[in-house]
Parts: sequence; structure tokens; C-alpha cells
Amino acid sequence: AQKITQTQPGMFVQEKEAVTLDCTYDTSDPSYGLFWYKQPSSGEMIFLIYQGSYDQQNATEGRYSLNFQKARKSANLVISASQLGDSAMYFCAMRDQPTLNSGGSNYKLTFGKGTLLTVNP
Amino acid sequence: EAQVTQNPRYLITVTGKKLTVTCSQNMNHEYMSWYRQDPGLGLRQIYYSMNVEVTDKGDVPEGYKVSRKEKRNFPLILESPSPNQTSLYFCASSLFATTKNIQYFGAGTRLSVL
Repeated sequence: AQKITQTQPGMFVQEKEAVTLDCTYDTSDPSYGLFWYKQPSSGEMIFLIYQGSYDQQNATEGRYSLNFQKARKSANLVISASQLGDSAMYFCAMRDQPTLNSGGSNYKLTFGKGTLLTVNP
Repeated sequence: EAQVTQNPRYLITVTGKKLTVTCSQNMNHEYMSWYRQDPGLGLRQIYYSMNVEVTDKGDVPEGYKVSRKEKRNFPLILESPSPNQTSLYFCASSLFATTKNIQYFGAGTRLSVL
């Protein structure tokens, strides 16, 4: 079963407007973390924002905020006042309970397929 | 500046020629991991390491080796690269913590195996 679902392959937004990128997740673990990463065309993977499953408040980092709805298992990224430099692929990821193997605890991230955001001038 | 450094950024090689992709972090992180990113398949974990001399397989370890002799370094070794290992590779690191263990990624290594 897919653990992270990003239903929007592509999104367009006008410069200076806000945009919401959707992410739903599936886990039975009570303790998990949700992440958003940005991947520009140059390829690097840039951390944007984190939400823990026990966090009472929605996470915010500058122009980024995470709309965390635990009961609905959704963790949508909101980008306010879009800029041309925001054009990139955006990935939602989840780290649920670390698996304990012979090599210790594995904090593997499971990624969604991504949403390509294009900001138009 | 806190960062994860991968080298090289770009590499073109031929089948069978051993290569190493280096990864170094300056954040004193215990946990390090390698992922590969392929179109249609997303990011998949290759290997991970909890600390010095402690490593284990991820989801797609075949054809790869790793070592963790020092806390800051976690090289990825392809003993005999094949064309199906052409991919974008990422190294990531984080603190060993059960909450807010944010994984920071390197800039990526684009590998082409001819």
C-alpha cells in the first residue's frame, strides 16, 4: 500500500499568490514525522519543514506552513506569497517508527511521487 | 556552515570500473543513509548506518557496498557498476533521535554507467 500520496503531479500559481500542495499518508504507528523537501531543477534535495505526529501546533518556517490534519492523515504544504524561485519539485516524506535491524534503528524516509510547482510571473 | 557534502556531483563511467562516491557531514550526526532516485520509482534507500562500524541494508542494496570508519564519512562503493545503476544518488544524515530527526541531504551525485 502506498504510504505517501501526492495527487497533484503538477501545479501552477501566479507570483505572490499562495498555493497548497496536497499530501496524504498512511501509517499505523502512533509516532511518526512528516517532512517536505524541495528539489529544484539543479537536483539537490532541500529540507523545508517538519511536523511530528505529537506536535499540537501546525509547523511554520517562514513562507512555508504545514496544514496537519491528523484524523484525515493529511499534511499539506502551504507556500505563501509565491516567488519565481519556488518553481521546483516538492516531495512529501514520512518517517514512521524506526525499524530495528541488525544494523540498528533505520530512520528510513518514504517519499511521495512529488508535485511539480510552476510559479508564473 | 552545516552541510552534507557529496563528491563527485557528476560522474560518467563504464561498466565494471569500480567507483566510490564520498559523503561527509559536519553536523556530528550519528545516522547516515544513501538513497537513489529514479524516474517513476522515486527515492529508495540503499544502505544506512546508525554509527561508526554499524551499517545495514536498505531496500535496494544489491550492487553496492558502504563503510563507516569515521562518524562524519559514509562512502558508497560500486564494485562493478552496471548500466542499471545509472541514477541520481543522495546521501543524508540526521541525529539519532526519535523526534524531529530531520534528515539533511547532500546535493546529489548524477551517475551514468555506460
